Amino acid sequence: EAGVTQFPSHSVIEKGQTVTLRCDPISGHDNLYWYRRVMGKEIKFLLHFVKESKQDESGMPNNRFLAERTGGTYSTLKVQPAELEDSGVYFCASSPKTGTSGVNEQFFGPGTRLTVL
Amino acid sequence: GNSVTQMEGPVTLSEEAFLTINCTYTATGYPSLFWYVQYPGEGLQLLLKATKADDKGSNKGFEATYRKETTSFHLEKGSVQVSDSAVYFCALVAISGAGSYQLTFGKGTKLSVIP
Repeated sequence: EAGVTQFPSHSVIEKGQTVTLRCDPISGHDNLYWYRRVMGKEIKFLLHFVKESKQDESGMPNNRFLAERTGGTYSTLKVQPAELEDSGVYFCASSPKTGTSGVNEQFFGPGTRLTVL
Repeated sequence: GNSVTQMEGPVTLSEEAFLTINCTYTATGYPSLFWYVQYPGEGLQLLLKATKADDKGSNKGFEATYRKETTSFHLEKGSVQVSDSAVYFCALVAISGAGSYQLTFGKGTKLSVIP
């Protein structure tokens, strides 16, 4: 079974440019999460999709970030325009449909390292 | 809000040494607790978990016990190997106001094991 994949693995852009990150979750996983780790800080939650719907986007830093999950499969995270403080590693994770126990393991991708110059 | 505090690294140990990475948490209710590991060039992998007080999670020789009275979940291994070199993250999961199971992470501890 293929794991969570993310593309690109690295991206270097200039301030003001646009970047789109992609995440392909494990097939059949309803839940998809985006997290971000800024250098020296904790990994922080950004948002959570259940299928194609945004369940919780309370972690999105501002309206320069736009996440989509068309058809409930892969997801994209667009940053427009990028700022210096957006540099960091962006992780995607997925988990199966939440069961009666409420908590399922989240399976992580390798991350996309974004550098804004 | 929820938070996780883990010991700062980096930690360098000789092979077969004993490992402890401290982790404490602040949370409302009774969260589930996790240790994730990130090997070089790879994504985060779940190492072990505990879902209620006094549970002990274990995997690959690593152990951690959910201590509610001290709000701790320290990671231990009796004899580390070079292959254990990685970054270790302590985390908790709790349901948000929007009904989402968000992970809250510590800053991570980089472990290097030398032969």
